Amino acid sequence: AQSVTQPDIHITVSEGASLELRCNYSYGATPYLFWYVQSPGQGLQLLLKYFSGDTLVQGIKGFEAEFKRSQSSFNLRKPSVHWSDAAEYFCAVGPYSSASKIIFGSGTRLSIRP
Amino acid sequence: DSGVTQTPKHLITATGQRVTLRCSPRSGDLSVYWYQQSLDQGLQFLIQYYNGEERAKGNILERFSAQQFPDLHSELNLSSLELGDSALYFCASSVHREGWTDTQYFGPGTRLTVL
Repeated sequence: AQSVTQPDIHITVSEGASLELRCNYSYGATPYLFWYVQSPGQGLQLLLKYFSGDTLVQGIKGFEAEFKRSQSSFNLRKPSVHWSDAAEYFCAVGPYSSASKIIFGSGTRLSIRP
Repeated sequence: DSGVTQTPKHLITATGQRVTLRCSPRSGDLSVYWYQQSLDQGLQFLIQYYNGEERAKGNILERFSAQQFPDLHSELNLSSLELGDSALYFCASSVHREGWTDTQYFGPGTRLTVL
């Protein structure tokens, strides 16, 4: 069955420290992969997406993610977090052909320690 | 500000009632998407409309329906409401028909509470 797993429900990192949020997927075909961020009281904002090509994807706000087919992973990274990065982060996967198949992970809440 | 507006921001109603949520997409966007975010189910895609036509359907209940009007705004109708329908309902918009893989711009959501 198709699924997306974000194993970390809540992560706390110190401001200025590096960040890695994990995302693992189970998908029958080559997936389209996304990371979204949801700030408190806000809708979702697309951070980055991967369709094909270079497996290291650059996104907005200094985020990047690496697609590793052998590990079925699409982890999100940032070298130095800022207090404004505190939010909920969602990984999503689906086919190009139909929005009806998109699957979201359960989310990882990121807290920033001053 | 994404440019997508949703009204109302909050809605409190009783079981068995019917409500309508409204979404205005960004200027120029032809696709509208509805999502539900709840503690039980997480974030789920409900339905997509493109230029007035239903384009894709996700986990939308039969008690729910949506439409997109000629001016491209969309409404999500929820009827025979149950406690489990309490959730945050998001609308998003994008330019293209297949634009779910393009950047979607999300509204701030409507928080529905069913008592």
